[in-house]
Amino acid sequence: DGGITQSPKYLFRKEGQNVTLSCEQNLNHDAMYWYRQDPGQGLRLIYYSHIVNDFQKGDIAEGYSVSREKKESFPLTVTSAQKNPTAFYLCASSMRGGDETQYFGPGTRLLVL
Amino acid sequence: SQKIEQNSEALNIQEGKTATLTCNYTNYSPAYLQWYRQDPGRGPVFLLLIRENEKEKRKERLKVTFDTTLKQSLFHITASQPADSATYLCALVGNFNKFYFGSGTKLNVKP
Repeated sequence: DGGITQSPKYLFRKEGQNVTLSCEQNLNHDAMYWYRQDPGQGLRLIYYSHIVNDFQKGDIAEGYSVSREKKESFPLTVTSAQKNPTAFYLCASSMRGGDETQYFGPGTRLLVL
Repeated sequence: SQKIEQNSEALNIQEGKTATLTCNYTNYSPAYLQWYRQDPGRGPVFLLLIRENEKEKRKERLKVTFDTTLKQSLFHITASQPADSATYLCALVGNFNKFYFGSGTKLNVKP
């Protein structure tokens, strides 16, 4: 099956801890994205990447970091600098980036202990 | 900065009626606009894309209009069904190919 997967489905973070959210796609898409969704709010762009080994900050990049070492993978690390990390995190991919549709993963819900 | 507005209040309609959702945007003139459906706890799913030179686009029971003068898109679901109940998001691409999503409108279709 082709698609985009995220793991884990739920993730718990302790104070001062860094956690990494996984995102993998086998659609052969060049572009990948990370969004954060809070209750009653739209998706806010954290980071995006249009090509391997290159990524750009979105609107709310502070407290987050990413890497794009492989075309298929775009992991997101929520660092201890992110003071309000509780949210629903969505990863997406698109063929080239720009005017194509985005395909979303099932999401990871991050909760703080 | 780019701003997208969707009605934050839920839209409640009776089964069989037409649902109409609104998306307004400011500070940009996008070449196209997209609509997505999101179910609770799931990722959004693409529904329709409409370009600036297309006034209307249809797909089965769905219809989207795009008025670049009013900076508005309307999303219609005809003959609505309870299974259409979900949150509907509009999205457009701004500078540097960044996607901007509205906060979505929740649609409740009652049997």
